[in-house]
Amino acid sequence: SDLTQDSAVSVALGQTVRITCQGDSLREFFATWYQQKPGQAPLLLIYDKNTRPSGIPDRFSGSFSGRTASLTITGAQAEDDAEYYCSSRDISGDWLIFGGGTRLTVL
Amino acid sequence: QVQLQESGPRLLKSSETLSLTCTVSGISVGSFYWSWVRQTPGKGLEWLGYIYITGRTVYNPSLVRRLAMTIDSSKNQFSLRLTSVTATDTAVYFCARLQTTVNKHYLDFWGQGVLVSVSS
Repeated sequence: SDLTQDSAVSVALGQTVRITCQGDSLREFFATWYQQKPGQAPLLLIYDKNTRPSGIPDRFSGSFSGRTASLTITGAQAEDDAEYYCSSRDISGDWLIFGGGTRLTVL
Repeated sequence: QVQLQESGPRLLKSSETLSLTCTVSGISVGSFYWSWVRQTPGKGLEWLGYIYITGRTVYNPSLVRRLAMTIDSSKNQFSLRLTSVTATDTAVYFCARLQTTVNKHYLDFWGQGVLVSVSS
C-alpha cells in the first residue's frame, strides 16, 4: 500500500503547521515521522503515535485519525525548514513503506 | 553512543553487483534488527529490507530477486548485496537500526549514507 503526503507546505516563522500522511496501513500500524535536511540522513522525530526521541523539541507532535496521521509543529522555527517523511509498516506484509515526503518551507 | 558507518565501492557499471557494509559501534548487532534504505537523487526514501542476527531477512518485494543481506556479529557489521545494477540503482544508501513490534517499524539510528553511482 502507499502513503500519501502533500509535496510542499509553507509556514510563517512562529506559526503552527500540520503535515499529513494518508494510507490504509495507518489503520493498522503506527506512523513514524522523520526530518531530513540536505546532505543529511533522516532524523527520527516521532514514533509510537506521539513519542519523541531524546533531543527532539516538544514543538513536534504526532496524532492520527482513521487512515490519516499528522505531524504538527507548534511555533515553527527557521531550523525546521526541511523535508518530512512519514512511514509505517505495510498492511500487505512485514516491510516498511515511506510517504513521498513534504517539503516544509519556513517563511 | 550508537554509530553506523556505511562503506563500499562508490562507482559501478551496469550489470555489476553493489556491495555495502555497515559497521556498527556502541551496541551489538546481535541485539537488534538492521535495515538498508536508499534515496535516489532528489527523490524520496525507499526501504530495501531488514536482517536479524538469526539470519532472518525481509526484503522489499520489488527488489527481492536481486537483494541479499548478511550479518557478521564477530565484526559487528551487516551487509547489502544488490545484483545486476542499472542506472536506476544510483542512490544514496543508508544503513539504520530497525525497531520493530507487531504494530510498528521505525528506524532510530542511521548512518550518514553513501552515494553509489552506476554508469552504463
